[in-house]
Amino acid sequence: DAKTTQPNSMESNEEEPVHLPCNHSTISGTDYIHWYRQLPSQGPEYVIHGLTSNVNNRMASLAIAEDRKSSTLILHRATLRDAAVYYCILPSGGGADGLTFGKGTHLIIQP
Amino acid sequence: DTAVSQTPKYLVTQMGNDKSIKCEQNLGHDTMYWYKQDSKKFLKIMFSYNNKELIINETVPNRFSPKSPDKAHLNLHINSLELGDSAVYFCASSQEGSGYNSPLHFGNGTRLTVT
Repeated sequence: DAKTTQPNSMESNEEEPVHLPCNHSTISGTDYIHWYRQLPSQGPEYVIHGLTSNVNNRMASLAIAEDRKSSTLILHRATLRDAAVYYCILPSGGGADGLTFGKGTHLIIQP
Repeated sequence: DTAVSQTPKYLVTQMGNDKSIKCEQNLGHDTMYWYKQDSKKFLKIMFSYNNKELIINETVPNRFSPKSPDKAHLNLHINSLELGDSAVYFCASSQEGSGYNSPLHFGNGTRLTVT
């Protein structure tokens, strides 16, 4: 299984950009990099995913390193509602199909 | 409209009982999943299922069984409940078979407490 490494927690101020890093040095050539977040007492929510090129959507941007061994989720202007656990995920490979979630990064937003 | 809905939201029961959690998705997705989130907040996949294939995580006890009456539903049956089954269970769905290039859509979870 491809593994990811994320900081346990990060803190940022409201209305400032947030850069959430993820290392995935064992990524294979066909693995998409997925990001999800989980707000308190809710199910995980899809944020963004990409393969090689940087990706943008209404929620965030995903910057992928050229060697694909790391990526960064960028929240351009954090709000209090962005406080959540953010998961960087690679496909789980063998066993049950689907995505395997790690510990994620607990993002704290200060007003 | 809720895309993936689970019922009940809370379930409290005693050891040894049999219970079911229902899941429905109105997204027209082909594949559905069950995940378990334990007290340490780790999310682990239990099953993935489409109309052709059930894939079971080998660590899931056979007391857990998914049942799919149709493509929009994947219910989770649990027999002989144990204290360690207490957790939050999430249902999810995706358009393509693996979720690799297809986002997962999650329900809001069912908190199961076994006493």
